[in-house]
Amino acid sequence: LAKTTQPISMDSYEGQEVNITCSHNNIATNDYITWYQQFPSQGPRFIIQGYKTKVTNEVASLFIPADRKSSTLSLPRVSLSDTAVYYCLVGGPGGYQKVTFGIGTKLQVIP
Amino acid sequence: NAGVTQTPKFQVLKTGQSMTLQCAQDMNHEYMSWYRQDPGMGLRLIHYSVGAGITDQGEVPNGYNVSRSTTEDFPLRLLSAAPSQTSVYFCATRNTFQGEQYFGPGTRLTVT
Repeated sequence: LAKTTQPISMDSYEGQEVNITCSHNNIATNDYITWYQQFPSQGPRFIIQGYKTKVTNEVASLFIPADRKSSTLSLPRVSLSDTAVYYCLVGGPGGYQKVTFGIGTKLQVIP
Repeated sequence: NAGVTQTPKFQVLKTGQSMTLQCAQDMNHEYMSWYRQDPGMGLRLIHYSVGAGITDQGEVPNGYNVSRSTTEDFPLRLLSAAPSQTSVYFCATRNTFQGEQYFGPGTRLTVT
């Protein structure tokens, strides 16, 4: 699986847009990029997945540049309930057999 | 649909005791896995299975055994618990050909 690098922590005020960037320089051609969210005392929850360009759902947007060596998770107008750890994963359908989450990015939303 | 269920939610063991953490899913997913999460760390893969009768090791398999006799169940066994196995354990499932995993609520295990 491609190694990923993301910031350990971020702070944001309520109502702001938050962008978390993940670097994955050795991403393979058939790899997808997936983001998960984890609240304290809960298992991770799938947020969004993409392959290239931009993907948007009701929760977030995922921006992937043409070279796919990085990706940015965008959370619009965050609230206190968005305080969580966010994980970036890279892998293909077959490569997901061994999935490691890394430390993730701890987002703290401030009132 | 219950999704992914884990039992027990909490467990305290003494060093050397054995126990089984249960994981069950009703989504008919082929892929199931066990992770452990320690304070300040991400999730580390212990064992995984791509179908009934097929299991393989993850990053940190030592001290744990698994088997997969049915699609629905994937128990994790600790044969001789050690304090280093104090952790929160998560079970997860997914459809083999998709990346989205569904996680159970976790089991918090303390070994004294």
